[in-house]
Amino acid sequence: DTEVTQTPKHLVMGMTNKKSLKCEQHMGHRAMYWYKQKAKKPPELMFVYSYEKLSINESVPSRFSPECPNSSLLNLHLHALQPEDSALYLCASSQEGTGGFYEQYFGPGTRLTVT
Amino acid sequence: AQSVTQLGSHVSVSEGALVLLRCNYSSSVPPYLFWYVQYPNQGLQLLLKYTTGATLVKGINGFEAEFKKSETSFHLTKPSAHMSDAAEYFCAVSGSGGSYIPTFGRGTSLIVHP
Repeated sequence: DTEVTQTPKHLVMGMTNKKSLKCEQHMGHRAMYWYKQKAKKPPELMFVYSYEKLSINESVPSRFSPECPNSSLLNLHLHALQPEDSALYLCASSQEGTGGFYEQYFGPGTRLTVT
Repeated sequence: AQSVTQLGSHVSVSEGALVLLRCNYSSSVPPYLFWYVQYPNQGLQLLLKYTTGATLVKGINGFEAEFKKSETSFHLTKPSAHMSDAAEYFCAVSGSGGSYIPTFGRGTSLIVHP
């Protein structure tokens, strides 16, 4: 199974709402990632978890809060978002190790609209 | 430090014509190179990767890429374009500083005309 799943597929939320995005993989990967992607742009790294510990936070605003409950699950909790946060949010996973020769597996993304 | 430059934000070809998408990289160490494809409203999918060994790499859907160290390039080609190849293509590099976090190019949108 080389699939990364994400729910929900679409999400519309107001600026005062609290919502969560979920990501799951069963490939035994120990590195998991959250990316934000605007239209016609490359994915922009937000967070990296390595062995369920947050290893990279790319100076993301605190209204985005990641969580890794176990090695298969990754959540992104959203609170008090701004309209400019509207984007496609992608989850990815990979084997973890120095060297960088492991490819990433991406989920289909959650299309988030903030109204 | 590592970086990727994809020349041309859009490439337009006719169905059946050769596809050539350009990628040049900068890396302080031997790079690991990847091409990903993204269809509308989907995530990224790995087309092919170069780690070590043979410099001509074959991927899915008839795509291939050649690692040329002297030119610091990893261009993606396909002999004959199909309408279904229309998508966004991203080149990525990793490995610098021992990091497994890839750096993506800005992407090239492939347009296929009938």
